[in-house]
Amino acid sequence: DTAVSQTPKYLVTQMGNDKSIKCEQNLGHDTMYWYKQDSKKFLKIMFSYNNKELIINETVPNRFSPKSPDKAHLNLHINSLELGDSAVYFCASSISGTNTGELFFGEGSRLTVL
Amino acid sequence: GDSVTQMEGPVTLSEEAFLTINCTYTATGYPSLFWYVQYPGEGLQLLLKATKADDKGSNKGFEATYRKETTSFHLEKGSVQVSDSAVYFCALSGQGGSEKLVFGKGTKLTVNP
Repeated sequence: DTAVSQTPKYLVTQMGNDKSIKCEQNLGHDTMYWYKQDSKKFLKIMFSYNNKELIINETVPNRFSPKSPDKAHLNLHINSLELGDSAVYFCASSISGTNTGELFFGEGSRLTVL
Repeated sequence: GDSVTQMEGPVTLSEEAFLTINCTYTATGYPSLFWYVQYPGEGLQLLLKATKADDKGSNKGFEATYRKETTSFHLEKGSVQVSDSAVYFCALSGQGGSEKLVFGKGTKLTVNP
């Protein structure tokens, strides 16, 4: 069983469309994240949720809306897609409060906006 | 704010060569330091970590020592293999724990047979 799984792995869509990426973790962790990796491999945090509550919200356009129905799931919905949204989006999870710094990443979802 | 600077890539080495990837950081307080590795087509995985000054993290032949005086955490391996080809990310977390990791820009390593 994959510990952190994301769907879809690949997504190609037109500008202006709305799309969602789903993430599920079966590790029993209570904190989940979305990171964006651009074409130069630069990795930047977008959001973090702890027990379904938003705890980190970086300067991300409000077209991006995360939703956490329970602590094992964190989905990312993107409205009115733009060319600059093309990237690989990584979901990750961790146990809060342990200060181990170990995040478990999914395999990524490559979004291409045409 | 906190930041991580690592050497620009790409780095290309022959098998069995010595590897160093430099990483320096800027942070308030005493962060924990990490190296993550991303193999082609995969997500990132924790490679090693150090949580206080002079700690040495090690795993799979890779080592890095937390140097507070030079604010550095350079990654080294004595003899690289083709299977080490990947992108390597240096990262730090503040005293608040793993809730927010700050990553460097990544260094792509290619090892040729």
